[in-house]
Amino acid sequence: ETGVTQSPTHLIKTRGQQVTLRCSSQSGHNTVSWYQQALGQGPQFIFQYYREEENGRGNFPPRFSGLQFPNYSSELNVNALELDDSALYLCASSPPQGQGTDTQYFGPGTRLTVL
Amino acid sequence: AQSVTQPDIHITVSEGASLELRCNYSYGATPYLFWYVQSPGQGLQLLLKYFSGDTLVQGIKGFEAEFKRSQSSFNLRKPSVHWSDAAEYFCALNPTSGTYKYIFGTGTRLKVLA
Repeated sequence: ETGVTQSPTHLIKTRGQQVTLRCSSQSGHNTVSWYQQALGQGPQFIFQYYREEENGRGNFPPRFSGLQFPNYSSELNVNALELDDSALYLCASSPPQGQGTDTQYFGPGTRLTVL
Repeated sequence: AQSVTQPDIHITVSEGASLELRCNYSYGATPYLFWYVQSPGQGLQLLLKYFSGDTLVQGIKGFEAEFKRSQSSFNLRKPSVHWSDAAEYFCALNPTSGTYKYIFGTGTRLKVLA
């Protein structure tokens, strides 16, 4: 069983640019969530996708957007990058509800540095 | 407001010593609670989870945690720490069943002395 994978591993961008991060969910999982983890902090919930629709959003501005594809993989897009967007971005997938678990499984993350 | 507090930012223990990492939560009902571990530069690995039932839950790598409703706590324990346990540990709360919108604490960094 393949776990959650993310690409790229590391990324360096400059202020004002746009970035796309990608996530492949674990086999059989139909919900994907994205988190931002700033240095020395716990992960903060950005948003969640279920069956290709956004299904909840944290306290992040609209320049953070996402997509989920029919195969349940997902993208996180960030426009007009700011220095404070530098962080580890974590993707997590979860199985369909009713399978006896409310557990998320995390990928290794993408380290984004904004200069 | 829903929140998770991990009072200890750093903890240092000697190899072979026992370990307890503290987690307190604020939530109106019984939440779903989790402990994750993060090694440097890595993602989060699930150690254990509490949904309901037995308040003492067993996890991987010899870890266990006890849910205490009266104290709003979910402390993580290990009887004998190994050098490979050095990492950052996060307690998390899922306030709504099935939504996966976890609230994380700020983490506790564990250092293990040889």
